Amino acid sequence: NAGVTQTPKFRILKIGQSMTLQCTQDMNHNYMYWYRQDPGMGLKLIYYSVGAGITDKGEVPNGYNVSRSTTEDFPLRLELAAPSQTSVYFCASSYRTGGGYEQYFGPGTRLTVT
Amino acid sequence: AQSVTQLGSHVSVSEGALVLLRCNYSSSVPPYLFWYVQYPNQGLQLLLKYTTGATLVKGINGFEAEFKKSETSFHLTKPSAHMSDAAEYFCAVSANAGNNRKLIWGLGTSLAVNP
Repeated sequence: NAGVTQTPKFRILKIGQSMTLQCTQDMNHNYMYWYRQDPGMGLKLIYYSVGAGITDKGEVPNGYNVSRSTTEDFPLRLELAAPSQTSVYFCASSYRTGGGYEQYFGPGTRLTVT
Repeated sequence: AQSVTQLGSHVSVSEGALVLLRCNYSSSVPPYLFWYVQYPNQGLQLLLKYTTGATLVKGINGFEAEFKKSETSFHLTKPSAHMSDAAEYFCAVSANAGNNRKLIWGLGTSLAVNP
């Protein structure tokens, strides 16, 4: 299993451009998540999904959109990129076990908006 | 509501010394508790987790953590630090009730290991 994969690894955007961060998991997990990580700020949940066709907002959804058309894929869309969206973005997936919703993470996408 | 507090954003130890990273949580329902590690320029990976049962939990790379309900704590320890333990460590909690699919994260503790 490849686990959770994310593309691209790095990207530089100009202010006002848009892009899609890709996330794919091959573990057949129902639940998927997008986080952003800023230095000293921990992980902030942007959006999450509990299954194909179902998404919900996290703590910091403004400026982002998601869709979930398949179990495997959960892309994150940035419209009108702003410098405040410079961050490292992590995708994660999970499933219900006897011990809650342990999350599996991708390697991250480092995004710079200038 | 749940929350997680990690005491000390930076911890520095000497190689071979005890590692102690502190995590306190608040939860109105029995919690699931997790420790994750993030090595430089990588994603997070699970070190260990507490669900129910034995309160001393052993994880990968020689780490362990003890769930203390009376102290609402889940501190992470390792008897002898290795240079390869230098990383960012995150504590997280989720509700052991209902259908809560999200983790609540601490801000992280950066561990430095000095030769």
